[in-house]
Amino acid sequence: NAGVTQTPKFRILKIGQSMTLQCTQDMNHNYMYWYRQDPGMGLKLIYYSVGAGITDKGEVPNGYNVSRSTTEDFPLRLELAAPSQTSVYFCATTAPLTSGSHNEQFFGPGTRLTVL
Amino acid sequence: ILNVEQSPQSLHVQEGDSTNFTCSFPSSNFYALHWYRWETAKSPEALFVMTLNGDEKKKGRISATLNTKEGYSYLYIKGSQPEDSATYLCASRILTGGGNKLTFGTGTQLKVEL
Repeated sequence: NAGVTQTPKFRILKIGQSMTLQCTQDMNHNYMYWYRQDPGMGLKLIYYSVGAGITDKGEVPNGYNVSRSTTEDFPLRLELAAPSQTSVYFCATTAPLTSGSHNEQFFGPGTRLTVL
Repeated sequence: ILNVEQSPQSLHVQEGDSTNFTCSFPSSNFYALHWYRWETAKSPEALFVMTLNGDEKKKGRISATLNTKEGYSYLYIKGSQPEDSATYLCASRILTGGGNKLTFGTGTQLKVEL
């Protein structure tokens, strides 16, 4: 099992460009999350999804969009990239609370994005 | 406490020292407390998930305790080694209508020197 995979690993964008960060999981987890990590700020939740077809805003959703058409995929879209979106982005998944698991989150390897 | 807070922000210790750090979290509607270990250029890895007041968990030289009534958890590392150098994140999960979300602290960055 690959777990949680993210592509690309690195990307440099110009201001105003758009891009999609891909996240795929093969653990059949319902819950998926997108975080950004900024120095000294820990992980901030951008968007999350409780299952295919359902998404919700996190703490810092502005400037981003998501979709969840399948259980496996949860892409994050930046429509008009801004320097403030320079960050490291992590995708994560977890099993539902009722599954009896420890409910820890499993993280992807991250995407380092720079907007110039 | 409305947010998850960790202290200290960073810590330098010598190899062989024992150390501990603190995570404070909202005690109302508490569901679970998570600890993660996060090495530079890697993704966070789960260490412990604790749910019950008084819980103690141990993994090798690392252990954690939980006090849900006062809203704090301690992480202990006994006999620190250079490979323990990492950022240690805690995250709180509360019971909400939206379910299954974690609120992360900003982490404690540990550096173990020879």
